[in-house]
Amino acid sequence: GAVVSQHPSRVICKSGTSVKIECRSLDFQATTMFWYRQFPKQSLMLMATSNEGSKATYEQGVEKDKFLINHASLTLSTLTVTSAHPEDSSFYICSASGLAGPDTQYFGPGTRLTVL
Amino acid sequence: GENVEQHPSTLSVQEGDSAVIKCTYSDSASNYFPWYKQELGKRPQLIIDIRSNVGEKKDQRIAVTLNKTAKHFSLHITETQPEDSAVYFCAASSPGGGNKLTFGTGTQLKVEL
Repeated sequence: GAVVSQHPSRVICKSGTSVKIECRSLDFQATTMFWYRQFPKQSLMLMATSNEGSKATYEQGVEKDKFLINHASLTLSTLTVTSAHPEDSSFYICSASGLAGPDTQYFGPGTRLTVL
Repeated sequence: GENVEQHPSTLSVQEGDSAVIKCTYSDSASNYFPWYKQELGKRPQLIIDIRSNVGEKKDQRIAVTLNKTAKHFSLHITETQPEDSAVYFCAASSPGGGNKLTFGTGTQLKVEL
């Protein structure tokens, strides 16, 4: 149980383009999904929290118009990085909770984004 | 908001020895403390967690202790093996904070043969 998938695993794009990342909970319904960004040799930084059918809650300093989050169902959330720039290059990881209580988060495998 | 500090940043032990990683937190309302293991380029994996109504929890070679009064919790790994080498993160969350996890800065554990 508690399998979270993410797609794609790697993406390389040109500056100015948009990239969509999908996060799915495969064997449970996720009441909440979280999106994190992790730079090399650093910790995970929460970007936003999303609940199915509601608008995402963004952390301070995260531009909601640049990082669009959609939580269309209890098993799918998407993160779209709009007008990507090289400084957006990072490891983006989602997590989902709802299987073992609202506080236990299970992580996806991450998406390595490289913006040229 | 919550602030989690983690020490040490790097830890090198001989195979078979024990490893201890310590974390402190600032928000007394935090009640959930998970530990994650992350190998290079991989996802963080939940290895053990503890809630504030418990002082200690053990799962085979891994144990976690929690001192609510002092607001610190520790991860203990006994009989370390080379495959334990990874980065370990502690985290804390509270229901009032939307169950958002605040992570520590991580500990690079290296188990040497």
